[in-house]
Parts: sequence; C-alpha cells; structure tokens
Amino acid sequence: GAVVSQHPSRVICKSGTSVKIECRSLDFQATTMFWYRQFPKQSLMLMATSNEGSKATYEQGVEKDKFLINHASLTLSTLTVTSAHPEDSSFYICSALRGRMNTEAFFGQGTRLTVV
Amino acid sequence: AQSVAQPEDQVNVAEGNPLTVKCTYSVSGNPYLFWYVQYPNRGLQFLLKYITGDNLVKGSYGFEAEFNKSQTSFHLKKPSALVSDSALYFCAVRVNRDDKIIFGKGTRLHILP
Repeated sequence: GAVVSQHPSRVICKSGTSVKIECRSLDFQATTMFWYRQFPKQSLMLMATSNEGSKATYEQGVEKDKFLINHASLTLSTLTVTSAHPEDSSFYICSALRGRMNTEAFFGQGTRLTVV
Repeated sequence: AQSVAQPEDQVNVAEGNPLTVKCTYSVSGNPYLFWYVQYPNRGLQFLLKYITGDNLVKGSYGFEAEFNKSQTSFHLKKPSALVSDSALYFCAVRVNRDDKIIFGKGTRLHILP
C-alpha cells in the first residue's frame, strides 16, 4: 500500500512557540490531505482539508490563524501550530488521498505534541 | 450531514470466539465505508473498505465486514479472535461527492486470553 510519513513523531515545545508538523506521501502524489486531531480515548476530529496549490478548508471551530496549513507540493503538507499553549497538546494525524477517484486514505503515524 | 455511529465504547471477547464491532452510518449519497485499527500512539492502519459490489468485504488480518444498506450498517467481524486483535477500531464513511472522511468515536476491543 501507499506510504504516508509524518514527522516528527513526538515533539515537546514551550508555551508561546510554534511547531511545524510535516506530512509526506512517499510513493504517490496526494492532491488532497487531511489533518486530524485526536484527544485521549476519543475519535479523530477533522481539522482541515488541504488541497495542493490552494488554501486549506477548515472545519467549523478550528482557528485557521492558529493552525496554519500549507500544501505546497503534491507530496507535502505541513501543519504549523502557532503560539502553542498547553491546551494544544494532542495527537495530530495526517492522511492523504491518492487521486480524486481513489477512495482510500492513507494515514501517517501521528505526532504527539506536548506543550509545556 | 453525514455521520458514523459506533454504539459500543468497548467490546470484550474471549480468545477464539467470534467478534463483532458495530457501526451504523447516515449519509446523503452513496457511502464509501472503511474500517481502521489503531494501536497505542500510532496512526491508523487500514483494514478494509466497501465501495460497491459484494456486500461482504474481506480485509486484513482475517477481518471482514458486511454492508447492509437497509439497516445502514457496516459491522466488523472476525470468526476467531486473537489477543493481538486488542486495539481501538474506527469505522469511517466518505461520501462520493465529498472528499471528507468522517470517523466514528471508536470502539476499544479487548480480547481476553
């Protein structure tokens, strides 16, 4: 199957700093990528849909200035958590669709963000 | 709006017994249905999907799921559970006119030795 690599797997940062998480499709081109957030023992909450070459579409309640998404190429999307606070601590997961007609999403291994 | 329901937070099954993890969905349009498994601090691993065709779908690790249109269900099943099947299972739906994938809240499966 297709491989999606997410980096870093874990990051600890100080409150007020920014953190960038990368999501790469290693062996296919991803026109669409998704960013999810998962709280402990809860489901994945879709944060935004990222389309290559255009602005991301954010779900209701997600601050676009807080969670900056860039999808500059067909193999890379980045999520930057700006001015992080402890309440931003969470597990962030990206996924990628392989072509619009492909029905399966491939997931990264997730990033555990801890803001201290 | 589309949604996915997993009515059970946790399912306990003895090793060797059959298991079922329930999922129902609500969508406008033709659903694409998925099951994923998640191990602690890991991303999601794809198990199986239903797009069209045979209602019984076979997937990875001996899992299968049956699409039931009249009951809008897509329950995950396995004839004989293994301790290593213990994990968090997510049902998900994607509507063909919309690229979003919506997840259920997850069901934690415990296989008891």
